[in-house]
Amino acid sequence: KAGVTQTPRYLIKTRGQQVTLSCSPISGHRSVSWYQQTPGQGLQFLFEYFSETQRNKGNFPGRFSGRQFSNSRSEMNVSTLELGDSALYLCASSLGQGFNSPLHFGNGTRLTVT
Amino acid sequence: AQRVTQPEKLLSVFKGAPVELKCNYSYSGSPELFWYVQYSRQRLQLLLRHISRESIKGFTADLNKGETSFHLKKPFAQEEDSAMYYCALSERNQGGKLIFGQGTELSVKP
Repeated sequence: KAGVTQTPRYLIKTRGQQVTLSCSPISGHRSVSWYQQTPGQGLQFLFEYFSETQRNKGNFPGRFSGRQFSNSRSEMNVSTLELGDSALYLCASSLGQGFNSPLHFGNGTRLTVT
Repeated sequence: AQRVTQPEKLLSVFKGAPVELKCNYSYSGSPELFWYVQYSRQRLQLLLRHISRESIKGFTADLNKGETSFHLKKPFAQEEDSAMYYCALSERNQGGKLIFGQGTELSVKP
Protein backbone atom coordinates (compact mmCIF):
# COMPACT_ATOMS: atom_id res chain seq x y z
CA LYS A 1 0.00 0.00 0.00
CA ALA A 2 1.23 3.46 -0.79
CA GLY A 3 1.89 5.64 2.23
CA VAL A 4 0.55 9.10 2.97
CA THR A 5 1.64 11.46 0.21
CA GLN A 6 2.10 15.17 0.70
CA THR A 7 2.70 17.68 -2.04
CA PRO A 8 4.67 19.73 -2.60
CA ARG A 9 7.69 18.73 -0.50
CA TYR A 10 9.04 22.28 -0.35
CA LEU A 11 7.50 25.71 -0.72
CA ILE A 12 8.90 29.21 -0.51
CA LYS A 13 6.40 32.02 -0.16
CA THR A 14 6.44 35.71 0.67
CA ARG A 15 4.71 37.35 3.61
CA GLY A 16 1.12 38.17 2.82
CA GLN A 17 0.69 35.44 0.24
CA GLN A 18 -1.47 32.37 0.67
CA VAL A 19 -0.55 28.72 0.25
CA THR A 20 -2.34 25.41 -0.25
CA LEU A 21 -0.87 22.10 0.84
CA SER A 22 -2.18 18.75 -0.31
CA CYS A 23 -2.39 15.35 1.37
CA SER A 24 -3.40 12.00 -0.08
CA PRO A 25 -4.13 9.47 2.67
CA ILE A 26 -3.52 5.75 2.59
CA SER A 27 -6.18 4.01 0.55
CA GLY A 28 -9.17 3.21 2.74
CA HIS A 29 -8.30 5.73 5.42
CA ARG A 30 -11.09 8.19 6.12
CA SER A 31 -9.48 10.40 8.74
CA VAL A 32 -6.86 13.01 7.97
CA SER A 33 -5.09 15.16 10.56
CA TRP A 34 -2.70 18.05 10.10
CA TYR A 35 0.17 19.07 12.34
CA GLN A 36 2.64 21.94 12.37
CA GLN A 37 6.19 21.19 13.47
CA THR A 38 8.61 23.94 14.45
CA PRO A 39 11.85 23.87 16.48
CA GLY A 40 10.35 26.10 19.15
CA GLN A 41 6.83 24.73 19.56
CA GLY A 42 7.36 21.15 18.43
CA LEU A 43 4.45 19.21 16.95
CA GLN A 44 1.13 21.02 17.25
CA PHE A 45 -2.27 19.78 16.13
CA LEU A 46 -4.01 21.90 13.51
CA PHE A 47 -7.21 20.05 12.63
CA GLU A 48 -8.73 16.68 11.82
CA TYR A 49 -11.19 15.71 9.13
CA PHE A 50 -13.30 12.60 8.96
CA SER A 51 -15.69 11.88 6.10
CA GLU A 52 -15.39 15.48 4.84
CA THR A 53 -16.29 16.95 8.24
CA GLN A 54 -13.95 18.79 10.57
CA ARG A 55 -13.95 16.75 13.79
CA ASN A 56 -11.35 18.59 15.82
CA LYS A 57 -9.56 21.89 15.63
CA GLY A 58 -6.39 23.06 17.32
CA ASN A 59 -5.54 26.46 18.68
CA PHE A 60 -4.53 28.21 15.49
CA PRO A 61 -5.85 31.46 14.01
CA GLY A 62 -8.53 31.49 11.36
CA ARG A 63 -5.89 32.02 8.67
CA PHE A 64 -5.37 28.28 8.85
CA SER A 65 -8.14 26.29 7.23
CA GLY A 66 -8.62 22.91 5.68
CA ARG A 67 -11.02 20.68 3.87
CA GLN A 68 -11.47 17.07 2.91
CA PHE A 69 -12.86 15.73 -0.31
CA SER A 70 -15.10 12.75 -0.92
CA ASN A 71 -12.07 10.60 -1.82
CA SER A 72 -10.57 11.47 1.60
CA ARG A 73 -7.83 13.63 0.10
CA SER A 74 -7.29 16.76 2.13
CA GLU A 75 -5.95 20.24 1.63
CA MET A 76 -4.94 22.89 4.10
CA ASN A 77 -4.72 26.56 3.31
CA VAL A 78 -2.86 29.33 5.06
CA SER A 79 -3.78 32.86 4.09
CA THR A 80 -1.89 36.10 4.72
CA LEU A 81 1.32 34.26 5.48
CA GLU A 82 3.51 35.44 8.34
CA LEU A 83 7.18 34.71 8.97
CA GLY A 84 6.17 32.56 11.93
CA ASP A 85 4.25 30.22 9.65
CA SER A 86 7.55 28.80 8.43
CA ALA A 87 7.40 25.17 9.51
CA LEU A 88 7.14 21.56 8.49
CA TYR A 89 3.49 20.68 7.96
CA LEU A 90 2.68 17.04 8.52
CA CYS A 91 -0.39 15.18 7.41
CA ALA A 92 -1.47 11.91 8.99
CA SER A 93 -4.20 9.50 8.05
CA SER A 94 -5.99 6.72 9.87
CA LEU A 95 -8.90 4.37 9.35
CA GLY A 96 -11.03 6.34 11.76
CA GLN A 97 -11.19 7.45 15.33
CA GLY A 98 -10.15 5.50 18.35
CA PHE A 99 -7.05 3.74 19.56
CA ASN A 100 -7.47 1.01 16.99
CA SER A 101 -6.64 3.52 14.30
CA PRO A 102 -3.05 4.66 14.69
CA LEU A 103 -1.88 7.65 12.70
CA HIS A 104 0.28 7.16 9.62
CA PHE A 105 2.32 10.24 8.81
CA GLY A 106 3.51 11.67 5.54
CA ASN A 107 6.95 13.13 4.91
CA GLY A 108 5.64 16.64 5.27
CA THR A 109 5.72 19.89 3.34
CA ARG A 110 8.39 22.33 4.39
CA LEU A 111 7.10 25.87 4.08
CA THR A 112 9.46 28.81 4.20
CA VAL A 113 8.00 32.31 4.42
CA THR A 114 10.33 35.17 3.54
CA ALA B 1 -4.73 21.78 30.46
CA GLN B 2 -3.52 18.73 28.63
CA ARG B 3 0.24 18.59 28.47
CA VAL B 4 2.99 16.07 27.70
CA THR B 5 6.46 16.61 29.09
CA GLN B 6 9.63 14.89 28.00
CA PRO B 7 12.30 16.31 30.31
CA GLU B 8 15.32 15.18 28.31
CA LYS B 9 16.10 16.71 24.92
CA LEU B 10 19.01 14.35 24.39
CA LEU B 11 19.81 10.97 25.89
CA SER B 12 23.11 9.36 25.06
CA VAL B 13 23.91 5.75 26.03
CA PHE B 14 26.32 3.03 24.98
CA LYS B 15 25.24 -0.04 23.06
CA GLY B 16 23.99 -2.72 25.43
CA ALA B 17 23.08 -0.27 28.19
CA PRO B 18 19.51 0.06 29.48
CA VAL B 19 17.44 2.94 28.18
CA GLU B 20 14.60 4.86 29.77
CA LEU B 21 12.98 7.78 28.00
CA LYS B 22 10.79 9.73 30.38
CA CYS B 23 7.32 11.00 29.65
CA ASN B 24 4.94 12.71 32.06
CA TYR B 25 1.50 13.97 31.23
CA SER B 26 -1.26 16.08 32.70
CA TYR B 27 -4.80 15.19 31.79
CA SER B 28 -7.99 15.12 33.76
CA GLY B 29 -9.68 12.15 32.09
CA SER B 30 -8.52 8.77 30.82
CA PRO B 31 -6.05 9.43 28.06
CA GLU B 32 -4.59 7.17 25.48
CA LEU B 33 -0.79 7.29 25.44
CA PHE B 34 1.54 6.61 22.53
CA TRP B 35 5.20 6.59 21.65
CA TYR B 36 6.14 7.70 18.13
CA VAL B 37 9.61 7.40 16.65
CA GLN B 38 11.37 9.14 13.80
CA TYR B 39 14.52 7.53 12.45
CA SER B 40 16.94 9.59 10.38
CA ARG B 41 15.42 10.56 7.03
CA GLN B 42 12.24 8.59 7.72
CA ARG B 43 8.73 9.65 8.52
CA LEU B 44 7.24 9.74 11.97
CA GLN B 45 5.80 6.34 12.87
CA LEU B 46 3.98 4.70 15.74
CA LEU B 47 6.20 2.66 18.04
CA LEU B 48 3.70 1.50 20.62
CA ARG B 49 0.55 2.46 22.50
CA HIS B 50 -0.40 1.81 26.09
CA ILE B 51 -3.67 0.09 25.33
CA SER B 52 -1.91 -2.70 23.45
CA ARG B 53 0.52 -3.51 26.26
CA GLU B 54 2.93 -4.89 23.68
CA SER B 55 6.68 -4.90 23.19
CA ILE B 56 7.95 -3.49 19.92
CA LYS B 57 11.62 -3.76 18.94
CA GLY B 58 12.34 -4.64 22.56
CA PHE B 59 10.72 -1.45 23.87
CA THR B 60 7.99 -1.44 26.50
CA ALA B 61 6.06 1.33 28.20
CA ASP B 62 3.81 1.13 31.21
CA LEU B 63 1.15 3.65 31.98
CA ASN B 64 1.37 4.75 35.60
CA LYS B 65 -1.76 6.72 36.34
CA GLY B 66 -0.68 7.55 39.87
CA GLU B 67 2.50 9.21 38.69
CA THR B 68 0.94 10.27 35.36
CA SER B 69 3.89 8.80 33.53
CA PHE B 70 4.44 6.66 30.44
CA HIS B 71 8.17 6.01 30.35
CA LEU B 72 9.67 4.07 27.45
CA LYS B 73 12.18 1.38 28.37
CA LYS B 74 14.52 -1.05 26.70
CA PRO B 75 16.90 -3.29 28.62
CA PHE B 76 19.69 -3.35 26.04
CA ALA B 77 20.05 -0.47 23.59
CA GLN B 78 21.13 -1.07 20.00
CA GLU B 79 22.77 1.41 17.62
CA GLU B 80 19.74 1.20 15.33
CA ASP B 81 17.60 2.57 18.17
CA SER B 82 19.16 6.00 17.63
CA ALA B 83 16.26 8.25 16.67
CA MET B 84 13.92 10.96 17.85
CA TYR B 85 11.23 9.70 20.20
CA TYR B 86 7.96 11.50 20.87
CA CYS B 87 5.47 10.75 23.60
CA ALA B 88 1.89 11.67 22.70
CA LEU B 89 -1.52 11.76 24.31
CA SER B 90 -5.03 11.72 22.94
CA GLU B 91 -8.46 11.78 24.45
CA ARG B 92 -10.28 8.47 24.25
CA ASN B 93 -11.62 7.90 20.73
CA GLN B 94 -10.02 11.13 19.52
CA GLY B 95 -7.02 9.47 17.98
CA GLY B 96 -6.57 12.04 15.24
CA LYS B 97 -5.82 14.79 17.73
CA LEU B 98 -2.54 14.09 19.45
CA ILE B 99 -0.74 16.24 21.96
CA PHE B 100 2.98 15.65 21.56
CA GLY B 101 5.86 16.13 23.91
CA GLN B 102 8.91 18.03 22.69
CA GLY B 103 10.74 14.83 21.89
CA THR B 104 13.89 13.13 23.12
CA GLU B 105 16.77 12.39 20.82
CA LEU B 106 18.27 9.02 21.68
CA SER B 107 21.86 8.46 20.64
CA VAL B 108 23.27 4.96 21.07
CA LYS B 109 27.05 4.87 20.81
CA PRO B 110 29.02 1.78 19.80
